[in-house]
Amino acid sequence: EVQLVESGGVVVQPGGSLRLSCAASGFTFDDYTMHWVRQAPGKGLEWVSLISWDGGSTYYADSVKGRFTISRDNSKNSLYLQMNSLRTEDTALYYCAKEGGNAFDYWGQGTLVTVSS
Amino acid sequence: EIVLTQSPATLSLSPGERATLSCRASQSVSSYLAWYQQKPGQAPRLLIYDASNRATGIPARFSGSGSGTDFTLTISSLEPEDFAVYYCQQRSNWPPWTFGQGTKLEIK
Repeated sequence: EVQLVESGGVVVQPGGSLRLSCAASGFTFDDYTMHWVRQAPGKGLEWVSLISWDGGSTYYADSVKGRFTISRDNSKNSLYLQMNSLRTEDTALYYCAKEGGNAFDYWGQGTLVTVSS
Repeated sequence: EIVLTQSPATLSLSPGERATLSCRASQSVSSYLAWYQQKPGQAPRLLIYDASNRATGIPARFSGSGSGTDFTLTISSLEPEDFAVYYCQQRSNWPPWTFGQGTKLEIK
């Protein structure tokens, strides 16, 4: 059974930093591109970033480019999102998602990041 | 960036009725269009990928159609558990991968 479990979400002040983690199991992690997708409270879904199977390629939404860094450790079956210079508009539930079939075929339950003074 | 526009914003129907949800892209996405269902407090669940392929474990009452810029998700006969928010998503021209704003399917 595929499982994705996010962690690391907390309340942080504007300008602060945070690192999210996603532990994957139930599939061959290093075969797949992985993504972060976020959802602000009461709002829709927003794609944030992706990383290729080997970590060699990364892409970001314009809204986070230069502030967030995606990475992975295939030896630990883990995905990460380093978030710097956080803004109030980054407040959201952050999901990690596995790519499959040109879509996100599995999602974690999300970890809540709140940026507030 | 490709913009996906979903309609209607809210759809009010009764169990047993047929639901038709629309997603229109600002430019062609070929068949790289997926549909998701999200219930309150839950993560999204993949229903349809590549416009018309049901994901694993998705009931046959869910079907997808379309290509290019116009897509439809059809639920043939609504069950009580189908009332939720539905999102379309494209990965044709990326980055970014983009989502529609969602259609809320509510009980009439």
